[in-house]
This record gives sequence, C-alpha cells and structure tokens, in this order.
Amino acid sequence: GQNIDQPTEMTATEGAIVQINCTYQTSGFNGLFWYQQHAGEAPTFLSYNVLDGLEEKGRFSSFLSRSKGYSYLLLKELQMKDSASYLCAVMDSNYQLIWGAGTKLIIKP
Amino acid sequence: IAGITQAPTSQILAAGRRMTLRCTQDMRHNAMYWYRQDLGLGLRLIHYSNTAGTTGKGEVPDGYSVSRANTDDFPLTLASAVPSQTSVYFCASSDSQNSPLHFGNGTRLTVT
Repeated sequence: GQNIDQPTEMTATEGAIVQINCTYQTSGFNGLFWYQQHAGEAPTFLSYNVLDGLEEKGRFSSFLSRSKGYSYLLLKELQMKDSASYLCAVMDSNYQLIWGAGTKLIIKP
Repeated sequence: IAGITQAPTSQILAAGRRMTLRCTQDMRHNAMYWYRQDLGLGLRLIHYSNTAGTTGKGEVPDGYSVSRANTDDFPLTLASAVPSQTSVYFCASSDSQNSPLHFGNGTRLTVT
C-alpha cells in the first residue's frame, strides 16, 4: 500500500531551526509537496520537489532523496506565526496525491 | 481577489437529510477536487474532476456525488447524510496535474 509518515507533533523555540521529516512509499513518484496549514484554515502551498536536492525559499527549505523515499522541510529563524501543521504529500504514478497526516509544530517563546 | 469560494462555512445537518456543498473558482483551473479532513488522518480525496464534463472517484467516494457542468463550479452532494460524514470539507483546484493545489476555506459539517 501507499504510505506517508511524518511525526505527529514537534516543539521548537522562537528563533531556532527545526527539521520536519517525511518518508514515503508510493506507487511511482511525480513530485513531493509541502503545505502549511494554520489551525482552522486551509492548507497553503510551500514547496515542490521532483529532483533530488535542496530547494531554498527564504526561511524555508525542502530537501528530497528519491532513492531513500525521504524529504524534509527546514524552517529557519522560527517565528511564532510558524506555529501550524505541515503537510507532506506525494504525487504517485497516476498523478494522485497521497497525503501524510501532518506534523503539528508548536513554537515556544 | 482570485481564488476558491466554498459555501456554507459551517452547517449542522440532521442524519438522512440531503446537502450540497458549493465550490466556485475564478482562476480558470482545469482540475478540481473535494477532500475531507479528519483529526489524525491525512486529507482524503472524495471526488475529482480533471476538466469540465468529467469526474472521477477518489479514495472515499461512497455517499457523495459531484458534477462539473462548467469550469468554475464543482458542487459536492451528500444524498442522505450519516454521522460518519461529520468532517471538514475542502475544495481545491489546480492548473495542471502536477501543479500546486489552491484550497478553499473549507466547510465544517456536523451530521447529528
């Protein structure tokens, strides 16, 4: 079966760096997405990786290793507004998105 | 402002009643999707439409139906609601198959 694993919850300190991991087993691969979802709101797109390596976008970076079925989202200089859930999703060979359950990130002052 | 509009924002519905959740986008995206989100689970696809006039079943289609008469609108109908359909429903759209999804603000549905 297809599966996406990510930690349920993480806690970090304002100003610090946090890495949220995502491992996947899917039928084929057509890209990996990260979304941010604040409580009570809709998910919003953060990043897309289809090739191995690191994609940097301001304070947020996303890494992909297709051979290991692994990705991480790196958040630097954490701010209180980064408190949210982070959703990992993989597009399989049929272009269907498989979603992880999300990682709730709690930022403490 | 371009985007996706869902209605209603929230609804309490008696079991056995029929309900249509509305979704409209003004981005001229070809593909549209309906997801449900439940605590502890990832987003689960109910139905999708790759282009106007076509629809397909997702992971959890039972008890739901959709139509796509035009590019902009993608309503989701619950023919006879059951308590297990209590959830937050998100409509989304994308320009092409591997483009990012744009989500509506969601409909919080409670079936009693």
